[in-house]
Amino acid sequence: NAGVTQTPKFQVLKTGQSMTLQCAQDMNHNSMYWYRQDPGMGLRLIYYSASEGTTDKGEVPNGYNVSRLNKREFSLRLESAAPSQTSVYFCAGSSGGSTDTQYFGPGTRLTVL
Amino acid sequence: AQSVTQLGSHVSVSEGALVLLRCNYSSSVPPYLFWYVQYPNQGLQLLLKYTTGATLVKGINGFEAEFKKSETSFHLTKPSAHMSDAAEYFCAVSEQGGADGLTFGKGTHLIIQP
Repeated sequence: NAGVTQTPKFQVLKTGQSMTLQCAQDMNHNSMYWYRQDPGMGLRLIYYSASEGTTDKGEVPNGYNVSRLNKREFSLRLESAAPSQTSVYFCAGSSGGSTDTQYFGPGTRLTVL
Repeated sequence: AQSVTQLGSHVSVSEGALVLLRCNYSSSVPPYLFWYVQYPNQGLQLLLKYTTGATLVKGINGFEAEFKKSETSFHLTKPSAHMSDAAEYFCAVSEQGGADGLTFGKGTHLIIQP
């Protein structure tokens, strides 16, 4: 099993460009999450999907959109990238309960110039 | 609303010494508590978690944590530090009945001195 995979690993964008970060899991997780990690800030939740076909905003959703394409895949889209979106982005999955372990992907390091 | 405070953005200990990483939480309902570790250029992996039952929780790599409701704390300890323990450690909380993600502390970078 690959677990939780993310593509790409690294990306450099210019201000105003768009891109989609891909996340896939083969662990049969019901819930999936997108976090961003910034120095000294810990991880902050951007969006989550409690089940296939549903998505909800987290703590920092502005400037992002998500799609839960199917049970396996959960993508994060930046429509018009800004330097403030320079960050490391992590996708995670879990069975869905509040006690359940979240399994994290390796991350995507995004730089917006 | 829930929040997590980790005291000390950097903690330095000698190899073989006790490791103590502090975590305090704020939650309107009894929380579920987690410690995750992040090695350089990697994702996060679970060290241990408290849900219900025994308040002293043992995790991987010799780490353990104790849930103290009266102190709203969940400090992480390891009796003897090893060089391989050098990493970033995150305390996180989720609320009972919620499936809307974790709230993380800002992290503590653990440095092991030889």
